[in-house]
Amino acid sequence: DQQVKQNSPSLSVQEGRISILNCDYTNSMFDYFLWYKKYPAEGPTFLISISSIKDKNEDGRFTVFLNKSAKHLSLHIVPSQPGDSAVYFCAARTNGGSQGNLIFGKGTKLSVKP
Amino acid sequence: NAGVTQTPKFRVLKTGQSMTLLCAQDMNHEYMYWYRQDPGMGLRLIHYSVGEGTTAKGEVPDGYNVSRLKKQNFLLGLESAAPSQTSVYFCASRRDNRGFGGYTFGSGTRLTVV
Repeated sequence: DQQVKQNSPSLSVQEGRISILNCDYTNSMFDYFLWYKKYPAEGPTFLISISSIKDKNEDGRFTVFLNKSAKHLSLHIVPSQPGDSAVYFCAARTNGGSQGNLIFGKGTKLSVKP
Repeated sequence: NAGVTQTPKFRVLKTGQSMTLLCAQDMNHEYMYWYRQDPGMGLRLIHYSVGEGTTAKGEVPDGYNVSRLKKQNFLLGLESAAPSQTSVYFCASRRDNRGFGGYTFGSGTRLTVV
């Protein structure tokens, strides 16, 4: 059973517009949520995170929103740039057991067109 | 500062052959992880270690063994490779489990089993 779901395998956006990537989760024990960005032939790199006690975290062009009641988070990129084209993974961490290991979604491939 | 280094970067094995993937980190991190990434499956945890001399099973441990004899190294072994183990393997490390520490990933090992 998938605990972290990214239901959109791909997303295409025009340069300068907003990109919104979505993620749903099922486990109410998750205490941190993270977004990772991955370019081809490279490892994932950490982008932004949010604690379960907050509903928004912002870092430059990237903002993550958390809606705990809906078990939903989203990553907003404004404005989108061609260099943002990559696969974005949503990940969640459980407090307590499993040593705080991260559980990843399947990823969303973002394409930003010039 | 190299971060997390994985060797080799590419490998082709015949069914039944064995091999070891090496992960080395120079950040004095306690926690280390092995993930595999398959198309449409995201990142799945194979094994992990919370310190030198410790190992534990993740989500998909069958067919793999690991060892953490030195803090900086985490080895992933395939004793008898199968085509189902064709994948991209990522190693990651994390400082510890206090607060939140993001994972640092290596650039991956692409393994093909024929």
